[in-house]
Parts: sequence; structure tokens; C-alpha cells
Amino acid sequence: EAGVAQSPRYKIIEKRQSVAFWCNPISGHATLYWYQQILGQGPKLLIQFQNNGVVDDSQLPKDRFSAERLKGVDSTLKIQPAKLEDSAVYLCASSSDRTGSTFFGQGTRLTVV
Amino acid sequence: DAKTTQPPSMDCAEGRAANLPCNHSTISGNEYVYWYRQIHSQGPQYIIHGLKNNETNEMASLIITEDRKSSTLILPHATLRDTAVYYCIVRAENSGYSTLTFGKGTMLLVSP
Repeated sequence: EAGVAQSPRYKIIEKRQSVAFWCNPISGHATLYWYQQILGQGPKLLIQFQNNGVVDDSQLPKDRFSAERLKGVDSTLKIQPAKLEDSAVYLCASSSDRTGSTFFGQGTRLTVV
Repeated sequence: DAKTTQPPSMDCAEGRAANLPCNHSTISGNEYVYWYRQIHSQGPQYIIHGLKNNETNEMASLIITEDRKSSTLILPHATLRDTAVYYCIVRAENSGYSTLTFGKGTMLLVSP
């Protein structure tokens, strides 16, 4: 089966600019996650969707980060305005309610200069 | 915070078994032990998971102690491509609803 697709793979922006990341989960997976991974650390959950509803966004910096999952399939994560400390890899993952196995995309590496 | 403790790094010779330990002394009765690995510049990859019985698949074996307070991931014949960060995670139930909380993991370096 096709894996979790993310784009772009790399993005360089200046601070205070905005950026958006896109994720297409595995077909049929109801749960979608966005993680942030800073260099040298494990991934940290930003937001979890169940279909098109938010299950957990407690660690999402809502003053600058937003995410949506229209129609319960694709999702976008936006940062506006970006800060230097937002430089990280942004990982999208999806899982099946039936098996619980979680699959990750390759991530988008964001550099804020 | 992550509920597991892992050594920050380990070395292994190619062809030998790699045994990666994990302590999860506060694990609850309904929590599973999951292992993921992350090869450089890739997203985490599922390896194996278990509740209390030992598990084996084509990638690895998982040994969980009887009291469930620790476990060991075994890669029976490590190759250079097994060089990666390995994450041990405890996760409530076997459901897609529960999230994966990552720690810093163990950096495994497999050398020729």
C-alpha cells in the first residue's frame, strides 16, 4: 500500500514569513498526527485528528500554528509567522483504528533563517 | 513526558546480535510496549510491539520481563542498514486513538 505522503521535503524561509505543509495519509486511516522533531530530540506531538475532528492539540502553539483536515483525508499544517526556533522536521503520521499501527511520512525539513 | 528509559547510544559489530534495553517501570496493565526506529533523514518506522508475551517478526524479537518493567529489542544479525535511533514507547491499548510519546531513544551504530 502507498505510504504517508508529505510535501515539500525541504523548505527554507525567513523569520516572520508563513509556510504550509501538506500531508496525505494512508487510504482509510481515520487518525492523522502532526509531529515536530527538533534536531537531536524525539518527535513531539503537535496535533491529532480523528477523521476531520481534533482529538488533541494541547501542544500546538496556537498563536502561530494552525492545522486542518478538511473532509477527513488530507491535512495541512501552517505556521504564521515563523520563528527561528520553528526550525525542525515536521512529520505526518496516520494510523488505522483497527490495528493501531502508526505509519510516518518522510517529513518536511523546515529551516527558518 | 516519555515513560521509558533507554541508553543514549550503543555499538554493535555487523553480523552480531544487537540487544537494546528499555526500562518502563511505571507501565500500566493496559499499556503495550512499542519499538520504532528512525534512520537518518527518514520518518520513524514501526518494528514490533507486545503486551506481556515475547514477540518475534521478520525484523526483530521483543523480550518483555515477567513483571513488565523492562524489555529488550533483539536484532539477531545486525547489518550496517540497522544503524538508526531506536525508540521504546509505552502506549495505552492497541488502538489508533492513542498517541506515541517519543523519548530520545538509543542511537545504535553498527560497524563493519
